[in-house]
Amino acid sequence: NAGVTQTPKFRVLKTGQSMTLLCAQDMNHEYMYWYRQDPGMGLRLIHYSVGEGTTAKGEVPDGYNVSRLKKQNFLLGLESAAPSQTSVYFCASSSILATYNEQFFGPGTRLTVL
Amino acid sequence: DQQVKQNSPSLSVQEGRISILNCDYTNSMFDYFLWYKKYPAEGPTFLISISSIKDKNEDGRFTVFLNKSAKHLSLHIVPSQPGDSAVYFCAASEDAGGTSYGKLTFGQGTILTVHP
Repeated sequence: NAGVTQTPKFRVLKTGQSMTLLCAQDMNHEYMYWYRQDPGMGLRLIHYSVGEGTTAKGEVPDGYNVSRLKKQNFLLGLESAAPSQTSVYFCASSSILATYNEQFFGPGTRLTVL
Repeated sequence: DQQVKQNSPSLSVQEGRISILNCDYTNSMFDYFLWYKKYPAEGPTFLISISSIKDKNEDGRFTVFLNKSAKHLSLHIVPSQPGDSAVYFCAASEDAGGTSYGKLTFGQGTILTVHP
């Protein structure tokens, strides 16, 4: 039982390049989320999904797209990376039955955009 | 509009003493409150939670207190241990029903350092 995994762990991009971050969970959770963490800003929600085939915008969605073609996977895409997207990205999942809406997080992806 | 605020960026405590981390919120619709712990190069891990119908929840060395009228919650760690050194995030959520879909709003985090 791996929980939530993220690929890759590190990535360096040049401005304008594109990439996809992969999140996978093996807990059969309905809900999945993408956050970014920046110094002094806490974790901010980028996009989320409440089930296979559904996505919705979070607090800071601009410049990102997501897809959830399978229940266990949630992909975050950057079509044209900008230096402002340098951050640590976390994926999380939670069960629709969670008592306190507790979410389980992956280990993160550190992205640098030059 | 920061709905959840942790006003202390850092806290330094001696081993064996109490650590008190504070969090304030503005949204009266929040029903659930959580604390997460984060070590460097790792993802946040769930620590303890409390619902708005309670004012205290304990789990071993960790106790969370909620003051709804003041829109304030705190995490007490007693006794503090060097292994508790980490970043602590408070988070809040509305009821899972409706359109909240389990979304969490996080504070900025407090770096706790426990000295041996």
